[in-house]
Amino acid sequence: IQMTQSPASLSGSIGDTVTITCRASQDIATYLAWYQQRPGSIPKLLIYAASTLQSGVPSRFSGSGSGTDFTLTISGLQPEDVATYYCQKYNSGPRTFGGGTKVEIK
Amino acid sequence: EVQLVESGGGLVKPGESLRISCTASGFTFTTYTMHWVRQAPGKGLEWVSSLTSGSADIAYADSVMGRFTVTRDNAKNSVFLEMNSLRADDTAVYYCTRGAFPGYSAYAFWGQGTLVSVSS
Repeated sequence: IQMTQSPASLSGSIGDTVTITCRASQDIATYLAWYQQRPGSIPKLLIYAASTLQSGVPSRFSGSGSGTDFTLTISGLQPEDVATYYCQKYNSGPRTFGGGTKVEIK
Repeated sequence: EVQLVESGGGLVKPGESLRISCTASGFTFTTYTMHWVRQAPGKGLEWVSSLTSGSADIAYADSVMGRFTVTRDNAKNSVFLEMNSLRADDTAVYYCTRGAFPGYSAYAFWGQGTLVSVSS
């Protein structure tokens, strides 16, 4: 199963709402996670089961989707959100990651 | 507190072998599937392998199939990745990870990683 993220990069102003999409090549139900990796840091789990916020993650992050199409939304972009974001399918077989989306501040 | 500590990385020549380890603490190791994820310099995350608690279910990425072998020692709370026929494109930081919950679960816990460099 391939996981395709878009866009590869985006730039937003502080306070903007930005959206990242992830498409699976086959139905993965809601076995979809989103991770944030800040420069120089290890990845951090943001969302699992497509839309469940991991404990401690700010509520400006939200996820939606099921089957093959998923989105990660940051509502009110903050300076600390500068990072690369990855989606991942985590059910059986290869637990494939998407290629990543680099988020920057204008 | 869940802790995952990788070790064993280093510089090897193409074609050589290396075994990296991950020692876990702070949870019941036998309950969880363990995973390896790698990240080449300046590149994205790549899932490498997953191993269930009883070692009955093992999965590998196509890029390492036939060259890498994942095992675990539940008595020592450790998981290992034996890497053979190493190539330059295996150069990466290798992370040991654990799901948030038993079974199919997103990776809530990550080690700090161990760097494997393959170069002549």
